[in-house]
Amino acid sequence: KAGVTQTPRYLIKTRGQQVTLSCSPISGHRSVSWYQQTPGQGLQFLFEYFSETQRNKGNFPGRFSGRQFSNSRSEMNVSTLELGDSALYLCASNTGRTGELFFGEGSRLTVL
Amino acid sequence: AQSVTQPDIHITVSEGASLELRCNYSYGATPYLFWYVQSPGQGLQLLLKYFSGDTLVQGIKGFEAEFKRSQSSFNLRKPSVHWSDAAEYFCAVVRANAGGTSYGKLTFGQGTILTVHP
Repeated sequence: KAGVTQTPRYLIKTRGQQVTLSCSPISGHRSVSWYQQTPGQGLQFLFEYFSETQRNKGNFPGRFSGRQFSNSRSEMNVSTLELGDSALYLCASNTGRTGELFFGEGSRLTVL
Repeated sequence: AQSVTQPDIHITVSEGASLELRCNYSYGATPYLFWYVQSPGQGLQLLLKYFSGDTLVQGIKGFEAEFKRSQSSFNLRKPSVHWSDAAEYFCAVVRANAGGTSYGKLTFGQGTILTVHP
């Protein structure tokens, strides 16, 4: 069974640009969550999608958005990038019936 | 608001020594508890989980953890550490029986970096 796949793995952007990150969950998993990981703030919850609906949202500005498609794949978008957005963005999927999350390897975003 | 505290930012042990990583949580409801491990540049891998029942849970790679409700703790242990255990370890909590819509929102501790000396 394939794990959670995130693309791209690494990317470099400049301030003011926007970025889209993609996540393919484990087959059969309907819930996808996104986390931002930085050395200073640790792991912070961004949002969760379940059956194409955003069900939870963390404390991030509106520049951070996401969506989920009918096949459970998810994307997150960050507009008007700031230096502080440099981070590892992790996607996790779960069946929606338990609290066990399965994480992808992350997308490492560097903003210059 | 719920919170998870891992008091030790960095722990160094010798290979073959025993290990205990501490985790304390503050939660208003019955929690589900997890330990994850992260190697540099990688995602998080689940080591073990506690949902209910036996308070001593076994995980992968020889790890175990004990849930102590009275102390609000969920400490991770391993009797003999291997050099390959060097990584960062995260304790996490989510509200139990929250329904499918809330299980994706874990609250993580700040992590404990484990260094293993040969």
